[in-house]
Amino acid sequence: SSELTQDLAVSVALGQTVTITCQGDSLKTYYASWYQQKPGQAPLLVIYGKNNRPSGIPDRFSGSNSGNTASLTITGAQAEDEADYYCNSRDSSANHPWVFGGGTKLTVL
Amino acid sequence: QLQLQESGPGLVNPSETLSLTCTVSGGSITTTRHYWGWIRQPPGKGLEWMGNIYYGETTYYDPSLRSRITISVDTSKNQFSLKLNSVTAADTAAYYCVRTSSTSGGITLIDYWGPGISVTVSS
Repeated sequence: SSELTQDLAVSVALGQTVTITCQGDSLKTYYASWYQQKPGQAPLLVIYGKNNRPSGIPDRFSGSNSGNTASLTITGAQAEDEADYYCNSRDSSANHPWVFGGGTKLTVL
Repeated sequence: QLQLQESGPGLVNPSETLSLTCTVSGGSITTTRHYWGWIRQPPGKGLEWMGNIYYGETTYYDPSLRSRITISVDTSKNQFSLKLNSVTAADTAAYYCVRTSSTSGGITLIDYWGPGISVTVSS
């Protein structure tokens, strides 16, 4: 079972702001990274570390962290942001060196 | 630009060994601060971290697979590979080879992914 917990599904109206969360004990020690996956495609890194975006990722994507929760925020969601989003982090227990959250399906209405 | 490409059989018989290779181009597999590994995704399900290898020596495996999985590196070919023994239908998935980078601050990120290869376990 996943050591990181995400909501199964979230929806947002076009142009509005949405936050996707990821909870787990490992996040008290390690930053999460976030991945966007569209149907039939490999995942794409969108946020890592405290709040870092790889080159080419729009600045409407941002990240934050508090306690055991990491959050991915999309400010002004676009139709092309509709996708599955996964968090990932190292794990402070040696049993799970790295772990993914179960994923959140984002629907843009 | 770094590129990763998976290769291997798309169909494996139950109880046999799944073997996949990832060819890395546009960069060396021997660099420090980089882990090379595998992530899989069963049909219609989420991502599952399987394991990785650091600097060609240190391996990290998910505990649920530890008894069946081996990840190794062939530096002469700039490739790394996955072997998963005693497969069952539950191992049917898309398999991605990936690079995980580690920053000086201890942050890790999966910054490069192969396109994925679909593997079905069936007789």
